[in-house]
Amino acid sequence: QKEVEQDPGPLSVPEGAIVSLNCTYSNSAFQYFMWYRQYSRKGPELLMYTYSSGNKEDGRFTAQVDKSSKYISLFIRDSQPSDSATYLCAMSDDSNYQLIWGAGTKLIIKP
Amino acid sequence: EAQVTQNPRYLITVTGKKLTVTCSQNMNHEYMSWYRQDPGLGLRQIYYSMNVEVTDKGDVPEGYKVSRKEKRNFPLILESPSPNQTSLYFCASSFRGPANSFFGQGTRLTVV
Repeated sequence: QKEVEQDPGPLSVPEGAIVSLNCTYSNSAFQYFMWYRQYSRKGPELLMYTYSSGNKEDGRFTAQVDKSSKYISLFIRDSQPSDSATYLCAMSDDSNYQLIWGAGTKLIIKP
Repeated sequence: EAQVTQNPRYLITVTGKKLTVTCSQNMNHEYMSWYRQDPGLGLRQIYYSMNVEVTDKGDVPEGYKVSRKEKRNFPLILESPSPNQTSLYFCASSFRGPANSFFGQGTRLTVV
């Protein structure tokens, strides 16, 4: 079993829909949780960063962390075709010097 | 502009010919790392550096070397490249520790 599980998709939704992307993890020591967006042939771009539990909102994006369920989510409201990309979750703990990555979910927003 | 710069962006080389991929950041970050990204395997860390003269192996270090002589630079060295090192490589940096890493634009390497 991988430390971080993420459905690779693709996930295809119509423009304007609310998108929910998720990752589950097994290591209860994880404290730092990140979501990255990667367009084709580009480097990953940090979207959201959360420390420990709770929600964080930035424009159309909301990140949620549920440490009791070992589950993190990224919600995208009013999705746009420009949101079409691969979304990667990543996490680390206080004592580890590495990020543990999900496989990435390919998201397609249809106009 | 804050950025992580990798060079070259594209490289085709032959088996066994030593090469270096450079990485430079202008954000005074302490932490730098190298990843490779392959279809179906995701991002895998090759090496990382917590600060100048401090480097450590990631998940897939075999066949690679790194050095960190200056804070801003973290070159990736392939002493004797092989075809299984054909991949998309990313350099990343962050202020302290791996959280909030900023990535370069990538280097697509083909070894024939």
